[in-house]
Amino acid sequence: DAGVTQSPTHLIKTRGQQVTLRCSPKSGHDTVSWYQQALGQGPQFIFQYYEEEERQRGNFPDRFSGHQFPNYSSELNVNALLLGDSALYLCASSLAGVHNNEQYFGPGTRLTVT
Amino acid sequence: AQSVSQHNHHVILSEAASLELGCNYSYGGTVNLFWYVQYPGQHLQLLLKYFSGDPLVKGIKGFEAEFIKSKFSFNLRKPSVQWSDTAEYFCAVNGNTDKLIFGTGTRLQVFP
Repeated sequence: DAGVTQSPTHLIKTRGQQVTLRCSPKSGHDTVSWYQQALGQGPQFIFQYYEEEERQRGNFPDRFSGHQFPNYSSELNVNALLLGDSALYLCASSLAGVHNNEQYFGPGTRLTVT
Repeated sequence: AQSVSQHNHHVILSEAASLELGCNYSYGGTVNLFWYVQYPGQHLQLLLKYFSGDPLVKGIKGFEAEFIKSKFSFNLRKPSVQWSDTAEYFCAVNGNTDKLIFGTGTRLQVFP
């Protein structure tokens, strides 16, 4: 049973560039959430996708956008990268409609902006 | 504002010592509480969770946590730590949405 997978593992970008991160949810899950974990901090919620729609959003600017595909996989896009966007980006999947469902986290993508 | 506070940023213990990591939250309404663990080089894993019922919850690897509503706390405990418990521990909360709010984490180092 494959868990949550993310690609790439590491990424180095320059300020002003754009980046796309990818996530495949755990088998059987239909909901994907994205979190940003800066060094020395806890994960911060970016947004959640369900049925190919953004269902919830945290306090992140519009430079952060996402997409969910019919197979439930998801992408996180960040435009006009800033140095402060350097972080570990975590994807978590869950099953909607299950009371108090558990979120399963992937290994993350380490983004470095120079 | 919704928030989670973890007061211990770095804890160093010897094997067999007892562990208690503090977690306090600020959240209106019904809360669900979680402890996640991140072992070196691994992804976040759920250690234990509280949704309702018995405020003392038991998780994996001998960990337990107690929900004290009057104190807005959900402290993590283990009577005897092992070297393999060296990791970063995160307390988190959510309510009627899936959005998890995490604390800043506590790094635990256990020396043999």
